[in-house]
Amino acid sequence: VIWMTQSPSLLSASTGDRVIISCRMSQGISSYLAWYQQKPGKAPELLIYAASTLQSGVPSRFSGSGSGTDFTLTISCLQSEDFATYYCQQYYSFPPTFGQGTKLEIK
Amino acid sequence: EVQLVESGGGLVQPGRSLRLSCAASGFTFDDYAMHWVRQAPGKGLEWVSGISWNSGSIGYADSVKGRFTISRDNAKNSLYLQMNSLRAEDTALYYCAKGDGSYPSPFDYWGQGTLVTVSS
Repeated sequence: VIWMTQSPSLLSASTGDRVIISCRMSQGISSYLAWYQQKPGKAPELLIYAASTLQSGVPSRFSGSGSGTDFTLTISCLQSEDFATYYCQQYYSFPPTFGQGTKLEIK
Repeated sequence: EVQLVESGGGLVQPGRSLRLSCAASGFTFDDYAMHWVRQAPGKGLEWVSGISWNSGSIGYADSVKGRFTISRDNAKNSLYLQMNSLRAEDTALYYCAKGDGSYPSPFDYWGQGTLVTVSS
């Protein structure tokens, strides 16, 4: 099983800020990493796959980077609709695993 | 438009069984692997099980192995999860999720979930 450490678990920020969320793997996964956004009461939505490829329809203020064991999700110029919980997920091997989540809240 | 609609959740006593269904539409169902992902109340996401397009590859989380069985009916565009010997820790919102073509893969579409509550 590939373990994932996502940080921080809670992030306070203001509209217009730039924020970075990190995800570290217990072993290398090449670029087999996805990021999801989940709003309260809603299903998760895929934001980024292959570590840095934006899913269709996702705003360009979202970006992903990294390979191997260390990955980041960056949201530049936070908008009100971006306050949500974010998860990373590896799909390099079974079982697919998720990070613990980062709740992005309004400061 | 891709749609995934789960059903079959409810309140069940520990040790009993439940069968979840997911009706898919808006894409060629038998081209893609499908998965079940769950989320316990107030907790994070946990992959439960996945099945390849032709049912040739199936995987389970250790937490459900031997108790849950995933299956699909490509003629009916449907995914299923048979859950036996349910435990309190299986209480969660169960999502049906579509793979993107590889296996494993990211999950590019999700249903709204069906709630399973295991309690006496």
